[in-house]
Amino acid sequence: DTAVSQTPKYLVTQMGNDKSIKCEQNLGHDTMYWYKQDSKKFLKIMFSYNNKELIINETVPNRFSPKSPDKAHLNLHINSLELGDSAVYFCASSPYLRESFYEQYFGPGTRLTVT
Amino acid sequence: RKEVEQDPGPFNVPEGATVAFNCTYSNSASQSFFWYRQDCRKEPKLLMSVYSSGNEDGRFTAQLNRASQYISLLIRDSKLSDSATYLCVVNEPGNTPLVFGKGTRLSVIA
Repeated sequence: DTAVSQTPKYLVTQMGNDKSIKCEQNLGHDTMYWYKQDSKKFLKIMFSYNNKELIINETVPNRFSPKSPDKAHLNLHINSLELGDSAVYFCASSPYLRESFYEQYFGPGTRLTVT
Repeated sequence: RKEVEQDPGPFNVPEGATVAFNCTYSNSASQSFFWYRQDCRKEPKLLMSVYSSGNEDGRFTAQLNRASQYISLLIRDSKLSDSATYLCVVNEPGNTPLVFGKGTRLSVIA
């Protein structure tokens, strides 16, 4: 019954490696997001997809590449991991409305530690 | 620069107390406002939306002051389970992302 799920929940890896995080939502939402929450707890948008189309791409290193195979899935691939990439990555989804008033549902987060 | 500012706290209050948080936003064109709650090592969850006329949900009351560009959250009769970080969130027109404040940490003490 999980609405937004992410895998893995924890990821510990070495600098320079490439890793992927997966996200799935079963809410029937059109829009999905990736957020990064750093050690100072600041939650910042990275990407947003609407119906598999990239609509928001904030200033993020091009080592980060999102992929949406269908509107229920949004994966995040990270190349050449750096120490500064250590953070909690949250996936979220929302119904896509022309009006700006909508709620976002967050996944449980992936805690990435780069050593 | 779009910003949402909150006092990080922590606010340490006894059970049963009333506590209020404020949040200011910089973009006067902002259209939608929310309070999210984030428990330690968990994901943020919507607590309540903030309507222009103010709104109440049980012990929680949210207010919006567009002229002064601030939002408030009032919690009455605090419970231990209210301990969490409260995130002020603002949405701006168009396909723009939600802007999250850094959160205000609340600890309710027995």
